[in-house]
Amino acid sequence: DIQMTQSPSSMSASLGDRVTITCRASQDIGNYLSWFQQKPGKSPRRMIYGATNLAAGVPSRFSGSRSGSDYSLTISSLESEDMAIYYCLQSIQYPYTFGAGTKLELK
Amino acid sequence: EVQLVESGGGLVQPGRSLKLSCVASGFTFSNYGMNWIRQAPGKGLEWVAYISSGSSYIYYAETVKGRFTISRDNAKNTLYLQMTSLRSEDTALYYCARGDGYDLFDYWGQGVMVTVSS
Repeated sequence: DIQMTQSPSSMSASLGDRVTITCRASQDIGNYLSWFQQKPGKSPRRMIYGATNLAAGVPSRFSGSRSGSDYSLTISSLESEDMAIYYCLQSIQYPYTFGAGTKLELK
Repeated sequence: EVQLVESGGGLVQPGRSLKLSCVASGFTFSNYGMNWIRQAPGKGLEWVAYISSGSSYIYYAETVKGRFTISRDNAKNTLYLQMTSLRSEDTALYYCARGDGYDLFDYWGQGVMVTVSS
């Protein structure tokens, strides 16, 4: 199975900060990488798919990038509504595997 | 408007069975692969099972293989998850989500809770 190592597991940041979350894949997954945001009591929401494609309705302050086997989700200027848990997902091979999640909190 | 609505959850004793349903609307259900994903209380997301649009391809997580069966009825726009030999570690919120491969999980249901306890 492909392991997705997500870091950090939690972080605190201030409004307006630039925030980056990273996932490293244990095998080549190409660009079959998605990012999801989950707020308490809510279903996950897709933010990025295909490593770099912004999902419909997602603010442009969110972006995805890839460097080798490292995939990043960046929020260019943090807003209060961005406080949530973020998960990465590889979908090149079954079983699909999620990262363990990053809890983003306000400093 | 795309909607996925799960049902069928509840409290069940270890070793017993339960069948979840996910009714889809707002899109052509028969064109999409579908998935079940679960989340134990306070834990992360775990992909559980996938079924292709025509039911030709089915995959399971090792944790449920041999105990859970995914199926679908395209005429009824409904996805199913038959769960047998339930264990306490199957306690989770179960979501259905559409899609596979590159462009997937753009829509999720609201989730249905399954609690396995004596």
